[in-house]
Amino acid sequence: DTAVSQTPKYLVTQMGNDKSIKCEQNLGHDTMYWYKQDSKKFLKIMFSYNNKELIINETVPNRFSPKSPDKAHLNLHINSLELGDSAVYFCASSSWNGYAEAFFGQGTRLTVV
Amino acid sequence: GQQLNQSPQSMFIQEGEDVSMNCTSSSIFNTWLWYKQDPGEGPVLLIALYKAGELTSNGRLTAQFGITRKDSFLNISASIPSDVGIYFCAGRSEGSSNTGKLIFGQGTTLQVKP
Repeated sequence: DTAVSQTPKYLVTQMGNDKSIKCEQNLGHDTMYWYKQDSKKFLKIMFSYNNKELIINETVPNRFSPKSPDKAHLNLHINSLELGDSAVYFCASSSWNGYAEAFFGQGTRLTVV
Repeated sequence: GQQLNQSPQSMFIQEGEDVSMNCTSSSIFNTWLWYKQDPGEGPVLLIALYKAGELTSNGRLTAQFGITRKDSFLNISASIPSDVGIYFCAGRSEGSSNTGKLIFGQGTTLQVKP
């Protein structure tokens, strides 16, 4: 069973469209994250949720809206997609016990054309 | 914002050689993690370090938490072709203890020639 799974794996869409990426974890973790990996492979945190509550919002444009219906799911909705949004988006999860071991999904490669 | 300096940026080595890479920070970290990312996949946790001076091994991999709490290194001994990939250090600063936020290094791309 996949621990952190996100869908879709690939997403190609036109500028201006709205799209969503879904993430689910079966590790029993109560904290979930979205990270963005750019073309130079640099990984940067975007959002963090703990028990459905937003903990971190790293000055991400408000076109990006995360939603956590329960602590096992964290979805990312992006409005009015721009060329610069093209990247690989990773979902991750960790427990909330003072340790920061994050487990990552396989990524969603978003290409905006 | 906070940054981790990871070096080297890339390495091209012969199978069987040992590899060393490191990360440094301008601020104190209380957790260091090392990840490996294969093409088309997400980062996979290799080693986690929680105490200054801690030395931890995972098979042929050994990592250490620097005593200044501002650096960490990863060694891979007797490299094999499947070691190819991008290695990332990641750290959590004391100021982020209640958020779980990780700061990542720029990555070290490792290529191994059979």
